[in-house]
Amino acid sequence: QITLKESGPTLVKPTQTLTLTCTFSGFSLSTNGVGVGWIRQPPGKALEWLALVFWNDDKHYSPSLKSRLTITKDTSKNQVVLTMTNVDPVDTATYYCTHETTVTPRRFDSWGQGTLVTVSS
Amino acid sequence: DIQMTQSPSSLSASVGDRVTIPCRASQSISDYLNWYQQKPGKAPKLLIYAVSSLQSGVPSRFSGSGSGTDFTLTISSLQPEDFATYYCQQSYSLPRTFGQGTKVEIK
Repeated sequence: QITLKESGPTLVKPTQTLTLTCTFSGFSLSTNGVGVGWIRQPPGKALEWLALVFWNDDKHYSPSLKSRLTITKDTSKNQVVLTMTNVDPVDTATYYCTHETTVTPRRFDSWGQGTLVTVSS
Repeated sequence: DIQMTQSPSSLSASVGDRVTIPCRASQSISDYLNWYQQKPGKAPKLLIYAVSSLQSGVPSRFSGSGSGTDFTLTISSLQPEDFATYYCQQSYSLPRTFGQGTKVEIK
């Protein structure tokens, strides 16, 4: 059974750097084809895909946020970390960690519970 | 980027109704189309993948259809627990993209 859990600060100030950690179990990020991604959802709004890291350390980012995002994996710790620099109140959202299947067509078949991050001074 | 469009953003229906939710891609995505259900305060849940394959445990009243750029999620007989927001998502290419969602509300 795959589980994912997000952790990080609930409140960050504008211009600061946000660091979120996804700790997962039930799969290994060293398995061929596996991906772990981040998706966010501002209050009352739609889902927005942010970033994805694959088993081979291939990384992909949302074009609109690419300059501010960094995704890294620690296979030994079963963790994926997302860093977002220079946060703004518009970055207030629930951030979800997801598992993307190894088989195609790929899909996000497991999600963390989400963590609400508020950006405010 | 591939844009995913869902319209309407909300619809009202009654228990027992047949409900169809459309989704359109800005270019052909073959069968790389997934549907998610989200209830208030909860994480999204995968309902259907590859256009029409039901995720394990999903009731058979849910079905998906379409190809290329136009897709549909159908709920054959709406149940009280189906009132939620539904999102389509393409996995044809990166970046992954979601539609804006369709909220199914009680009439």
